[in-house]
Amino acid sequence: EVQLEESGGDLVQPGGSLGLSCAASGFTFSGSAMSWVRQAPGKGLEWVSTLSGGGFNTYYADSVKGRFTISRDNSKNTLYLQMNSLRAEDTAVYYCAKVSGTGGYRRFDSWGQGTLVTVSS
Amino acid sequence: EIVLTQSPVTLSLSPGERATLSCRASQSVSSYLSWYQQKPGQAPRLLIYDASNRATGIPARFSGSGSGTDFTLTISSLEPEDFAVYYCQQGSNWPLTFGGGTKVEIK
Repeated sequence: EVQLEESGGDLVQPGGSLGLSCAASGFTFSGSAMSWVRQAPGKGLEWVSTLSGGGFNTYYADSVKGRFTISRDNSKNTLYLQMNSLRAEDTAVYYCAKVSGTGGYRRFDSWGQGTLVTVSS
Repeated sequence: EIVLTQSPVTLSLSPGERATLSCRASQSVSSYLSWYQQKPGQAPRLLIYDASNRATGIPARFSGSGSGTDFTLTISSLEPEDFAVYYCQQGSNWPLTFGGGTKVEIK
């Protein structure tokens, strides 16, 4: 059974930094692309970033490009998201999701329960 | 960026009724369209991928259809546990995008 468990969410001041982690189990982590998807309070889903299984290919939403960095440690089965220069509009529940799809990164087939990041003074 | 427009925003139905949800893309996404269900306080769950394939463990009352720009999620007979928010998502082009959601509520 695929399990994804996020951690690291917290209250942080605007302009601050925060790092999130996602511990994965139940599948071949190094063979799977992974993503972060966020959801602002009462709003819809927004894709944030995707990283290939080998860690060589990264993709970012324009809203976070240059501020967020996705990475992974396949020896620890863990995905990370380093968030810098945080803004109020980054306030959201951040979900870690396993990516799959034929010929590309098409869908999110498993999700963690999410971790809340609040950016406020 | 491909914009996905879901309609209606809210669908008020009774248990046992048929639900038909629409997702329209601003340009073709081929068949790379997925549907997710989200209940309050829970993570989204993949229901349908590649427009018409049910994900593992998803009941047969859920079905998807469409290709190109117009897609439909159908719930043939609503069960009490189906009242939730449903999102479509395209996996054709970067950035990956979601629709705004359709809330299926009890009438």
